[in-house]
Amino acid sequence: ETGVTQSPTHLIKTRGQQVTLRCSSQSGHNTVSWYQQALGQGPQFIFQYYREEENGRGNFPPRFSGLQFPNYSSELNVNALELDDSALYLCASSSKRENPQETQYFGPGTRLLVL
Amino acid sequence: GDSVTQMEGPVTLSEEAFLTINCTYTATGYPSLFWYVQYPGEGLQLLLKATKADDKGSNKGFEATYRKETTSFHLEKGSVQVSDSAVYFCALRGFQKLVFGTGTRLLVSP
Repeated sequence: ETGVTQSPTHLIKTRGQQVTLRCSSQSGHNTVSWYQQALGQGPQFIFQYYREEENGRGNFPPRFSGLQFPNYSSELNVNALELDDSALYLCASSSKRENPQETQYFGPGTRLLVL
Repeated sequence: GDSVTQMEGPVTLSEEAFLTINCTYTATGYPSLFWYVQYPGEGLQLLLKATKADDKGSNKGFEATYRKETTSFHLEKGSVQVSDSAVYFCALRGFQKLVFGTGTRLLVSP
């Protein structure tokens, strides 16, 4: 069974640029959730994708957007990067087929630094 | 809204000491509860979970019991090891998302 993978592992961008982060879900999982973890904090929910559509969103501005592909992998896009966007971005996959209260399994994260 | 409160760290223990990390929550209904662990430079790993009142989750010597009366899900381990040094996050399953506490850093010395 393949776990959740994310790429890249690290990324450095400058303010105003755009970034795309990628996530491959665990085998058999059809739902992907994205979280932002600032240094020293707990993860904060950005949004969730199910059946290639956004299925819930946290308190993040529209410049945070995403996609889910037919193979259930997902992208997180952030436009007009700000210094405060520097964080660890975590992807989690789960299976709504199993249980609406499905357990989420996390990838290793992408660490983004905005200069 | 839903929220999770964890005891502040760091928690510093000697090897083989008893561990308790407190976690309380506020939520509508009876959400599933989780403990995740994060080792330095890594993502989150599911440690254990409980889906209903009085359930006990356990894994790798760690235990936590879902207490509806006190809205708590405290993490315990009878004898910690140096390799348990990490940050521990308590979380609840809200609507379509996990709601996390701020994390508690555990440092175990030989």
